[in-house]
Amino acid sequence: QSVLTQPPSVSGAPGQRVTISCTGSSSNIGAGYDVHWYQQLPGTAPKLLIYGNTNRPSGVPDRFSGSKSGSSASLTITGLQAEDEAEYYCQSYDSSLGGSRIFGTGTKVSVL
Amino acid sequence: QVQLQESGPGLVKPSGTLALTCAVSGGSISSSNWWSWVRQPPGKGLEWIGEIYHSGSTNYNPSLKSRVTISVDKSKNQFSLKLSSVTAADTAVYYCARYIAVAGSGWYIDLWGRGTLVTVSS
Repeated sequence: QSVLTQPPSVSGAPGQRVTISCTGSSSNIGAGYDVHWYQQLPGTAPKLLIYGNTNRPSGVPDRFSGSKSGSSASLTITGLQAEDEAEYYCQSYDSSLGGSRIFGTGTKVSVL
Repeated sequence: QVQLQESGPGLVKPSGTLALTCAVSGGSISSSNWWSWVRQPPGKGLEWIGEIYHSGSTNYNPSLKSRVTISVDKSKNQFSLKLSSVTAADTAVYYCARYIAVAGSGWYIDLWGRGTLVTVSS
């Protein structure tokens, strides 16, 4: 019962820019909790892509960027590449019902 | 570097208890991290199950809280998950993971196990 909503899928041609939204509420993103993003390639464990809304871990290409505003966050891939085809998840914290870490519903990025 | 490895039965009978262990190698479970379980049903998204600190403090997903127990064994450098009264809906890949915090950036998962598929079936 995720409370972070993402579009089921987005697609783009190589080199294009795509943006994935992560919409929350006043008990999670809107309350100021940080948003993190993970990339999951088929058959593998997720991998950290963005932490603390905007920060890239070492080794993550700079074509990946994150932002946060109000009760929503976004992940942007600038200069889409074939190897970016994967599932992407946002993650935050929700203070309702005693508090819980929460994941977004997930977005499949397809490279046309 | 630190690695996580899940282990446990791949098949559990309905109404039974799912039990998994996550071995932490290359580092201490007593570091300032939360140790967590996350699951993913086939073809579906990620679901946070719960977490434990080396002190034994725990937090659970409210939707699973009544059935979940997470424990830590510092002498073996591992932590464990028990999920009771399982049904087919609990069939999933179960991941153990490490949450870390960087000042001003909140808590996030920087390390995942490879995951283990647990099927609930008679």
